[in-house]
Amino acid sequence: AQSVAQPEDQVNVAEGNPLTVKCTYSVSGNPYLFWYVQYPNRGLQFLLKYITGDNLVKGSYGFEAEFNKSQTSFHLKKPSALVSDSALYFCAVREGNAGNMLTFGGGTRLMVKP
Amino acid sequence: DGGITQSPKYLFRKEGQNVTLSCEQNLNHDAMYWYRQDPGQGLRLIYYSQIVNDFQKGDIAEGYSVSREKKESFPLTVTSAQKNPTAFYLCASSIVTGGKHEQYFGPGTRLTVT
Repeated sequence: AQSVAQPEDQVNVAEGNPLTVKCTYSVSGNPYLFWYVQYPNRGLQFLLKYITGDNLVKGSYGFEAEFNKSQTSFHLKKPSALVSDSALYFCAVREGNAGNMLTFGGGTRLMVKP
Repeated sequence: DGGITQSPKYLFRKEGQNVTLSCEQNLNHDAMYWYRQDPGQGLRLIYYSQIVNDFQKGDIAEGYSVSREKKESFPLTVTSAQKNPTAFYLCASSIVTGGKHEQYFGPGTRLTVT
């Protein structure tokens, strides 16, 4: 079975500082990993994904994520946070060759303060 | 949210009534999904469909029903058997092949049952 954990319910960061939102996963085979962002009362927006290749993945709005196989992690990062980055972030995992079902983490609320 | 529409945005019903949530996509995706979102619990899969006239139960299908008569449409009915139906409901779609493709989400429907 596949699972994903986001250990922090909330992350607080000052505007202009770097941010990290943590995600760890568990799958039997090779993972496909995704990050989504959700603004209040809206659907989820896709940010980036790791399928294979370079461990550092770049995505929308200046976000990037680093795949670390040994630590089974896929942390979301941004060098300089904006107040407008404040939202709910979800990590999701799918085991390769296991169909199209995504398993989502519980979400991390990012608060960027001016 | 582009390409997937959900209606209505807010829905209010009395306990004991069935209610149907609409989901339409114009992305030509074969797969469609219904998720339920509760505070602090992330997204949980209710039903999914990978082809017209076929669908499978997700993790929390009890008290829900779906149909997939057209590729573009995947309506969800919340029946009176669902014990705690108040939640935010999200519809998504994706390309089926390979599992490498992200899911695209609609804007969601917030259902309140009193």
